[in-house]
Amino acid sequence: AQSVAQPEDQVNVAEGNPLTVKCTYSVSGNPYLFWYVQYPNRGLQFLLKYITGDNLVKGSYGFEAEFNKSQTSFHLKKPSALVSDSALYFCAVRDIPNQAGTALIFGKGTTLSVSS
Amino acid sequence: ETGVTQSPTHLIKTRGQQVTLRCSSQSGHNTVSWYQQALGQGPQFIFQYYREEENGRGNFPPRFSGLQFPNYSSELNVNALELDDSALYLCASSQPGRAQETQYFGPGTRLLVL
Repeated sequence: AQSVAQPEDQVNVAEGNPLTVKCTYSVSGNPYLFWYVQYPNRGLQFLLKYITGDNLVKGSYGFEAEFNKSQTSFHLKKPSALVSDSALYFCAVRDIPNQAGTALIFGKGTTLSVSS
Repeated sequence: ETGVTQSPTHLIKTRGQQVTLRCSSQSGHNTVSWYQQALGQGPQFIFQYYREEENGRGNFPPRFSGLQFPNYSSELNVNALELDDSALYLCASSQPGRAQETQYFGPGTRLLVL
C-alpha cells in the first residue's frame, strides 16, 4: 500500500535560516508526491509536486523539494525561512490510480514554527 | 484562493442526526474528492466523484454518501452522526483526464457532533 511518513511533529527554525521538513514514502510503482500547507482554520494550499524529471522541484512561496529515489525521500526545503511560513505542512502520495482520478494519502503533518 | 468553495463553514449537530455538506469545484474541473481531517491528523480520503459517478472510496462506512451534479458541484451526506464524525471536511477539485492532476482544496466545513 502507498504511504508517506513525516517523522517530525514539529520543526523550529529562526527567521532567515534554511528550513527542511522531512518526508519519506513507500509506493508500488512510480511515486507521485505532493506538498501542501495548511494555515489555521484554512484548507490546504498546494505548494509543489513531483511527477517525473528533475529531482529538485520548485514550488510556490520560494519552497522547493528534493526527490531522492534511493532514500525514498521527498524533503521540503526553503533557503531562508520567514515568520509567515509558520504553518502545518503535509506530504502526500498519490494512491494507485484508477481510470480518471485518484486519492491522495497524507502524512500526519509537521508543524513548522519560525521565530523572529 | 483556489476557486473551490464549501458551505457551510461551521456546523453543530447532535448524535444520530444527518448532515449535508456542499462543495463547488473550480471552473473546468470535473472531479471532486472529499476528505475528513480529524483534529491533529492528516486528511483521510472518503470518496471521489468523476462525471457524477463515485470513482473510488476510502475506508468509510456506507452512512457516508455523496452526489455530484451536472455542474460538477458535489454533496457529502453523513447519516446517523457519531461523536467521532467531528472533524474538518475538505473537498478538492481537479482537472479532468490527467492521472497526476493536482487537487485544489476548499476552505473546509468544520463539523462538531455533540
